[in-house]
Amino acid sequence: GENVEQHPSTLSVQEGDSAVIKCTYSDSASNYFPWYKQELGKRPQLIIDIRSNVGEKKDQRIAVTLNKTAKHFSLHITETQPEDSAVYFCARGFQKLVFGTGTRLLVSP
Amino acid sequence: SAVISQKPSRDICQRGTSLTIQCQVDSQVTMMFWYRQQPGQSLTLIATANQGSEATYESGFVIDKFPISRPNLTFSTLTVSNMSPEDSSIYLCSVGGWNLSGYTFGSGTRLTVV
Repeated sequence: GENVEQHPSTLSVQEGDSAVIKCTYSDSASNYFPWYKQELGKRPQLIIDIRSNVGEKKDQRIAVTLNKTAKHFSLHITETQPEDSAVYFCARGFQKLVFGTGTRLLVSP
Repeated sequence: SAVISQKPSRDICQRGTSLTIQCQVDSQVTMMFWYRQQPGQSLTLIATANQGSEATYESGFVIDKFPISRPNLTFSTLTVSNMSPEDSSIYLCSVGGWNLSGYTFGSGTRLTVV
Protein backbone atom coordinates (compact mmCIF):
# COMPACT_ATOMS: atom_id res chain seq x y z
CA GLY A 1 0.00 0.00 0.00
CA GLU A 2 0.64 3.66 0.01
CA ASN A 3 1.07 4.50 3.67
CA VAL A 4 4.27 5.08 5.59
CA GLU A 5 3.99 4.54 9.32
CA GLN A 6 6.17 6.81 11.41
CA HIS A 7 6.90 6.57 15.15
CA PRO A 8 6.93 8.18 17.58
CA SER A 9 4.60 11.09 16.85
CA THR A 10 6.35 13.17 19.51
CA LEU A 11 9.78 12.82 21.03
CA SER A 12 11.27 14.84 23.87
CA VAL A 13 14.97 14.54 24.70
CA GLN A 14 17.57 16.42 26.68
CA GLU A 15 20.29 18.27 24.87
CA GLY A 16 23.14 15.89 24.12
CA ASP A 17 20.96 12.79 24.02
CA SER A 18 20.31 10.75 20.90
CA ALA A 19 16.99 10.68 19.05
CA VAL A 20 15.70 7.87 16.87
CA ILE A 21 12.69 7.99 14.56
CA LYS A 22 11.44 4.91 12.74
CA CYS A 23 9.38 4.41 9.60
CA THR A 24 7.89 1.32 8.00
CA TYR A 25 6.45 0.90 4.53
CA SER A 26 4.92 -1.84 2.41
CA ASP A 27 5.56 -0.88 -1.22
CA SER A 28 8.43 -3.07 -2.47
CA ALA A 29 8.97 -0.80 -5.48
CA SER A 30 10.24 2.04 -3.30
CA ASN A 31 13.94 2.66 -3.77
CA TYR A 32 14.44 6.10 -2.30
CA PHE A 33 14.02 7.10 1.34
CA PRO A 34 14.55 10.75 2.30
CA TRP A 35 14.13 12.54 5.61
CA TYR A 36 12.89 16.10 5.88
CA LYS A 37 13.06 18.65 8.70
CA GLN A 38 10.30 21.24 8.86
CA GLU A 39 10.53 24.19 11.20
CA LEU A 40 7.43 26.13 12.10
CA GLY A 41 6.14 28.15 9.17
CA LYS A 42 8.83 26.94 6.79
CA ARG A 43 9.11 24.53 3.92
CA PRO A 44 10.39 20.97 4.44
CA GLN A 45 14.15 20.75 4.06
CA LEU A 46 15.91 17.60 2.94
CA ILE A 47 18.42 16.60 5.63
CA ILE A 48 19.53 13.15 4.49
CA ASP A 49 18.44 10.46 2.07
CA ILE A 50 19.30 6.87 1.28
CA ARG A 51 18.81 4.71 -1.75
CA SER A 52 17.91 1.07 -1.69
CA ASN A 53 21.35 -0.20 -2.62
CA VAL A 54 22.81 1.14 0.62
CA GLY A 55 22.13 0.04 4.19
CA GLU A 56 23.43 3.04 6.08
CA LYS A 57 24.44 6.61 5.43
CA LYS A 58 25.89 9.18 7.81
CA ASP A 59 26.34 12.94 7.66
CA GLN A 60 27.93 14.40 10.79
CA ARG A 61 25.38 13.98 13.62
CA ILE A 62 22.71 12.50 11.39
CA ALA A 63 22.49 8.92 10.12
CA VAL A 64 19.89 6.87 8.33
CA THR A 65 19.66 3.08 8.27
CA LEU A 66 17.59 1.03 5.84
CA ASN A 67 16.43 -2.57 6.13
CA LYS A 68 14.82 -3.27 2.79
CA THR A 69 13.95 -6.85 3.65
CA ALA A 70 11.98 -5.78 6.70
CA LYS A 71 10.79 -2.58 4.95
CA HIS A 72 11.80 -0.15 7.63
CA PHE A 73 14.23 2.74 7.90
CA SER A 74 15.31 4.97 10.74
CA LEU A 75 16.74 8.41 11.38
CA HIS A 76 19.35 8.74 14.11
CA ILE A 77 20.40 12.11 15.50
CA THR A 78 23.28 12.11 17.98
CA GLU A 79 24.33 14.87 20.38
CA THR A 80 21.03 16.65 19.91
CA GLN A 81 20.90 20.42 20.15
CA PRO A 82 17.95 22.76 20.79
CA GLU A 83 18.09 23.85 17.15
CA ASP A 84 17.25 20.26 16.16
CA SER A 85 13.74 20.90 17.51
CA ALA A 86 11.33 20.63 14.56
CA VAL A 87 8.95 18.23 12.86
CA TYR A 88 10.68 15.43 10.96
CA PHE A 89 9.08 13.55 8.08
CA CYS A 90 10.24 10.35 6.48
CA ALA A 91 9.19 9.52 2.95
CA ARG A 92 9.50 6.68 0.51
CA GLY A 93 9.23 6.66 -3.22
CA PHE A 94 10.34 5.91 -6.70
CA GLN A 95 9.07 8.65 -8.99
CA LYS A 96 6.84 10.30 -6.41
CA LEU A 97 7.13 10.59 -2.65
CA VAL A 98 4.73 9.35 -0.01
CA PHE A 99 5.31 10.93 3.39
CA GLY A 100 5.10 9.58 6.90
CA THR A 101 2.88 11.19 9.50
CA GLY A 102 5.68 13.19 11.10
CA THR A 103 7.53 13.31 14.43
CA ARG A 104 7.67 16.42 16.56
CA LEU A 105 11.11 16.48 18.18
CA LEU A 106 11.70 18.74 21.16
CA VAL A 107 15.24 19.10 22.47
CA SER A 108 15.39 20.73 25.88
CA PRO A 109 18.51 22.59 26.99
CA SER B 1 19.47 21.47 -6.52
CA ALA B 2 16.78 23.55 -8.24
CA VAL B 3 15.50 26.80 -6.75
CA ILE B 4 11.73 27.24 -6.76
CA SER B 5 9.87 30.52 -6.57
CA GLN B 6 6.28 30.04 -5.40
CA LYS B 7 3.58 32.69 -5.15
CA PRO B 8 1.50 33.95 -3.56
CA SER B 9 2.99 33.19 -0.16
CA ARG B 10 -0.40 33.55 1.48
CA ASP B 11 -3.94 34.60 0.69
CA ILE B 12 -7.31 34.92 2.34
CA CYS B 13 -10.14 34.06 -0.03
CA GLN B 14 -13.90 34.06 0.01
CA ARG B 15 -15.67 30.73 -0.26
CA GLY B 16 -16.81 29.90 -3.75
CA THR B 17 -13.91 31.69 -5.42
CA SER B 18 -10.75 30.24 -6.99
CA LEU B 19 -7.05 30.85 -6.38
CA THR B 20 -4.19 30.07 -8.73
CA ILE B 21 -0.78 29.30 -7.27
CA GLN B 22 2.34 29.57 -9.40
CA CYS B 23 5.71 27.84 -9.23
CA GLN B 24 8.70 28.91 -11.27
CA VAL B 25 11.87 26.80 -11.30
CA ASP B 26 15.30 28.12 -12.19
CA SER B 27 16.09 25.10 -14.38
CA GLN B 28 14.22 22.68 -16.61
CA VAL B 29 12.73 19.79 -14.69
CA THR B 30 10.82 16.80 -15.95
CA MET B 31 8.49 16.30 -13.03
CA MET B 32 6.74 18.81 -10.81
CA PHE B 33 4.55 17.85 -7.91
CA TRP B 34 1.82 19.61 -5.95
CA TYR B 35 1.24 18.83 -2.27
CA ARG B 36 -1.24 19.89 0.35
CA GLN B 37 -0.32 20.18 4.02
CA GLN B 38 -3.27 20.68 6.31
CA PRO B 39 -2.62 22.33 9.68
CA GLY B 40 -0.47 20.12 11.88
CA GLN B 41 -0.50 17.31 9.33
CA SER B 42 1.84 15.62 6.91
CA LEU B 43 2.21 16.30 3.21
CA THR B 44 -0.28 14.73 0.82
CA LEU B 45 0.43 14.54 -2.87
CA ILE B 46 -2.30 16.11 -4.98
CA ALA B 47 -0.93 15.46 -8.45
CA THR B 48 2.09 15.20 -10.69
CA ALA B 49 2.28 17.94 -13.30
CA ASN B 50 3.44 16.60 -16.65
CA GLN B 51 4.68 18.85 -19.41
CA GLY B 52 2.71 18.32 -22.60
CA SER B 53 0.04 16.10 -21.09
CA GLU B 54 -2.62 16.10 -18.41
CA ALA B 55 -1.62 15.99 -14.77
CA THR B 56 -1.80 12.69 -12.93
CA TYR B 57 -4.03 12.99 -9.88
CA GLU B 58 -3.83 10.98 -6.68
CA SER B 59 -6.81 9.25 -5.14
CA GLY B 60 -9.20 11.75 -3.63
CA PHE B 61 -8.17 14.66 -5.86
CA VAL B 62 -9.89 15.56 -9.13
CA ILE B 63 -9.10 17.84 -12.01
CA ASP B 64 -12.28 19.89 -11.67
CA LYS B 65 -11.31 20.91 -8.15
CA PHE B 66 -7.55 21.24 -8.68
CA PRO B 67 -6.81 22.05 -12.32
CA ILE B 68 -3.10 22.11 -13.10
CA SER B 69 -1.19 23.66 -15.95
CA ARG B 70 2.35 22.81 -17.06
CA PRO B 71 3.08 24.92 -20.14
CA ASN B 72 6.84 24.31 -20.10
CA LEU B 73 9.61 22.60 -18.17
CA THR B 74 10.13 25.47 -15.70
CA PHE B 75 6.62 26.52 -14.72
CA SER B 76 3.39 25.12 -13.31
CA THR B 77 0.19 26.40 -11.75
CA LEU B 78 -2.30 24.82 -9.38
CA THR B 79 -5.80 26.27 -9.10
CA VAL B 80 -7.96 25.59 -6.08
CA SER B 81 -11.51 25.97 -7.42
CA ASN B 82 -14.83 26.76 -5.77
CA MET B 83 -13.12 27.00 -2.40
CA SER B 84 -14.61 26.06 0.93
CA PRO B 85 -13.13 26.47 4.43
CA GLU B 86 -11.97 22.82 4.22
CA ASP B 87 -9.52 23.91 1.53
CA SER B 88 -7.67 26.08 4.06
CA SER B 89 -4.20 24.60 3.99
CA ILE B 90 -0.63 25.09 2.85
CA TYR B 91 -0.01 24.17 -0.77
CA LEU B 92 3.53 23.34 -1.88
CA CYS B 93 5.13 22.55 -5.19
CA SER B 94 8.13 20.28 -5.44
CA VAL B 95 10.64 19.21 -8.06
CA GLY B 96 13.40 16.67 -8.26
CA GLY B 97 13.93 12.97 -8.51
CA TRP B 98 15.37 10.03 -6.63
CA ASN B 99 18.13 9.79 -9.20
CA LEU B 100 18.99 13.46 -8.89
CA SER B 101 19.77 15.41 -5.74
CA GLY B 102 16.45 14.58 -4.16
CA TYR B 103 13.27 16.61 -4.05
CA THR B 104 13.07 20.27 -3.06
CA PHE B 105 10.04 22.33 -2.15
CA GLY B 106 8.76 25.78 -2.88
CA SER B 107 8.17 28.09 0.06
CA GLY B 108 4.48 27.23 0.15
CA THR B 109 1.20 29.11 -0.14
CA ARG B 110 -0.82 29.48 3.03
CA LEU B 111 -4.47 29.61 1.98
CA THR B 112 -7.27 30.63 4.32
CA VAL B 113 -10.85 30.36 3.06
CA VAL B 114 -13.46 32.41 4.92
